Amino acid sequence: GAVVSQHPSWVICKSGTSVKIECRSLDFQATTMFWYRQFPKQSLMLMATSNEGSKATYEQGVEKDKFLINHASLTLSTLTVTSAHPEDSSFYICSARLYEQYFGPGTRLTVT
Amino acid sequence: AQKITQTQPGMFVQEKEAVTLDCTYDTSDQSYGLFWYKQPSSGEMIFLIYQGSYDEQNATEGRYSLNFQKARKSANLVISASQLGDSAMYFCAMRDLDQTGANNLFFGTGTRLTVIP
Repeated sequence: GAVVSQHPSWVICKSGTSVKIECRSLDFQATTMFWYRQFPKQSLMLMATSNEGSKATYEQGVEKDKFLINHASLTLSTLTVTSAHPEDSSFYICSARLYEQYFGPGTRLTVT
Repeated sequence: AQKITQTQPGMFVQEKEAVTLDCTYDTSDQSYGLFWYKQPSSGEMIFLIYQGSYDEQNATEGRYSLNFQKARKSANLVISASQLGDSAMYFCAMRDLDQTGANNLFFGTGTRLTVIP
């Protein structure tokens, strides 16, 4: 139980385009989901907390207009990287909270 | 202030030997949780073990045990009988309340463990 999926698992896009990443809790409902970013050889950094039906709470330094988060249902949160640039290339991991946080497998984004 | 500190960027261990990965934490909360995750090269975060701040006994899960020393604010992970498949990054994390009152996870910088055959 408590499985979280992410789609896509990897994506390559051109600079200036937007990319949407989906995070789904497959066998439970999650009112709260989290989005993390991990640069190579670094730790996970929390980007934002996504609550179903309300606006996401962004961590300091994370541009809310660039990283659009939508948590439209209890099983789905999406992260859209708008006008992506090469410095946005990273590993993005979501988690969904049941009692504890359960992590998705991650999405590797490369912006060329 | 950094909440989780992992001072070992890399560790080597001989196959079948035990290894300890260090983790210290900083919090003023009385109620908190400590986690260890394994991240292989594929990137997924695999939950290994959990210790609650009120748990009096050290947590154990198979070959994993958590050496919890509350007074020293340390939560070291011990892996016994290391296997080649244990080679990965290991992250220590703490759940407590952040400045907004939300219950978030804070991660350390990780330790890369390499098991030598």
